[in-house]
Amino acid sequence: GIQVEQSPPDLILQEGANSTLRCNFSDSVNNLQWFHQNPWGQLINLFYIPSGTKQNGRLSATTVATERYSLLYISSSQTTDSGVYFCAVELESGYSTLTFGKGTMLLVSP
Amino acid sequence: DAGVTQSPTHLIKTRGQQVTLRCSPKSGHDTVSWYQQALGQGPQFIFQYYEEEERQRGNFPDRFSGHQFPNYSSELNVNALLLGDSALYLCASSRVDFGGYTFGSGTRLTVV
Repeated sequence: GIQVEQSPPDLILQEGANSTLRCNFSDSVNNLQWFHQNPWGQLINLFYIPSGTKQNGRLSATTVATERYSLLYISSSQTTDSGVYFCAVELESGYSTLTFGKGTMLLVSP
Repeated sequence: DAGVTQSPTHLIKTRGQQVTLRCSPKSGHDTVSWYQQALGQGPQFIFQYYEEEERQRGNFPDRFSGHQFPNYSSELNVNALLLGDSALYLCASSRVDFGGYTFGSGTRLTVV
């Protein structure tokens, strides 16, 4: 099956710092989503981004489908950004289902 | 517009018992997928339902079964519970052949 690798596995930042999270995937996809999982377990969709670049406030994401990777940028981080960030992809062929990476645990300290 | 609703939010069961978890999809969505998330891991795909049929299944034993109703809501049933079934169970809805999944808040199942 498709492999999804996220890096780094853990990240500690001071409030106000910027960061870049990376997601590599092993096959062609027709869907890629970035999620933020809060401490209560809720998976919040950040971006639906199978290709191209999108921005939403302090967050932006870029997916280069031909090179099979995606990047999530967090600027001016806040303590509320803490949590686990997941990348999930959906194969281009076959029935749709999301395959998740192992996530990046982000801790933003004041 | 309500998002994905799951119930109950928490559940404690004894080994060997059976459990049913429920999910109502987001308005306009017709496909429901279930995921299991163990502590410290990413969600793992259990199965997906569309048009009241199981459309795809992940690597989970037959103790895990499901159902989708005509109103698109869904149930996940787990029989003969094991301690290892303790996890967060997430439901996601989507529209068939249209990108983007929306997740519910999950049901945290503890098996003792």
